[in-house]
Amino acid sequence: DAGVTQSPTHLIKTRGQQVTLRCSPKSGHDTVSWYQQALGQGPQFIFQYYEEEERQRGNFPDRFSGHQFPNYSSELNVNALLLGDSALYLCASSLKGRPNYGYTFGSGTRLTVV
Amino acid sequence: AQSVTQLGSHVSVSEGALVLLRCNYSSSVPPYLFWYVQYPNQGLQLLLKYTTGATLVKGINGFEAEFKKSETSFHLTKPSAHMSDAAEYFCAVSDGNAGNMLTFGGGTRLMVKP
Repeated sequence: DAGVTQSPTHLIKTRGQQVTLRCSPKSGHDTVSWYQQALGQGPQFIFQYYEEEERQRGNFPDRFSGHQFPNYSSELNVNALLLGDSALYLCASSLKGRPNYGYTFGSGTRLTVV
Repeated sequence: AQSVTQLGSHVSVSEGALVLLRCNYSSSVPPYLFWYVQYPNQGLQLLLKYTTGATLVKGINGFEAEFKKSETSFHLTKPSAHMSDAAEYFCAVSDGNAGNMLTFGGGTRLMVKP
C-alpha cells in the first residue's frame, strides 16, 4: 500500500522565482494538508484541501497557493520566492470524517532558495 | 487557539535508560494528541496517538504516552533506550474535528549514548 508520495525530493531556486511541489496522498485518503518545516523547528500548517477546495489556511501569505485534483493529489505553489522560504515542505494525507485514523506524512521536498 | 510546548529541545540518555520526553498542550476543546518521530532527512512517522478512550496509549517501537487532562500533558516514555531511538520527536495536537490541522511543538532531539 503506497504511502504519501512527494516530488521532487530536493530543488534549488533563485529569489523571485516560482516553484511547484507535488503530493500524491495515501491510497484511500481524500484530504491533503501542507506543512512548512524550517530548519530546527516544528512543522507549521500552510493549508488543507478537501473536495478540491481550500478548507483551512494557516498564517501564510497569498504567495502560497495550492490546488487539489479530482484524484486527490495536490500541488503547492509558491510565488516570488524569498530566502526565508527555504525549508522542508511536508504533505500529509488523511480521511475526512476519520480524524482518529491520523495523518500520514510524506518524506518531504527540501527547497533551497538562493 | 491551540498550542504545544515541548520541554527540552535536547534530551540525552544512555542506552538502556528510561526515555521521557515532555509535552504540554493547550486546547479549548477535547484534543486529539499525537507523537511523531523524524529521522534525518526524512518525513514524520506516527509513533502513537490519543483520540478517545484509554488514556495510556501504546505505540510502535516500545513507546507509550499517557494523556493527563488535569495536567494538560501527553508525555512520551520508553523504558529502555536503544541507539536506534536517536531522532527528533514532535508532539502535536488537533481539536478533533475531522481533518483539522495539526499544531506541532518545537521538537525534542533525543540523543542516545552508548
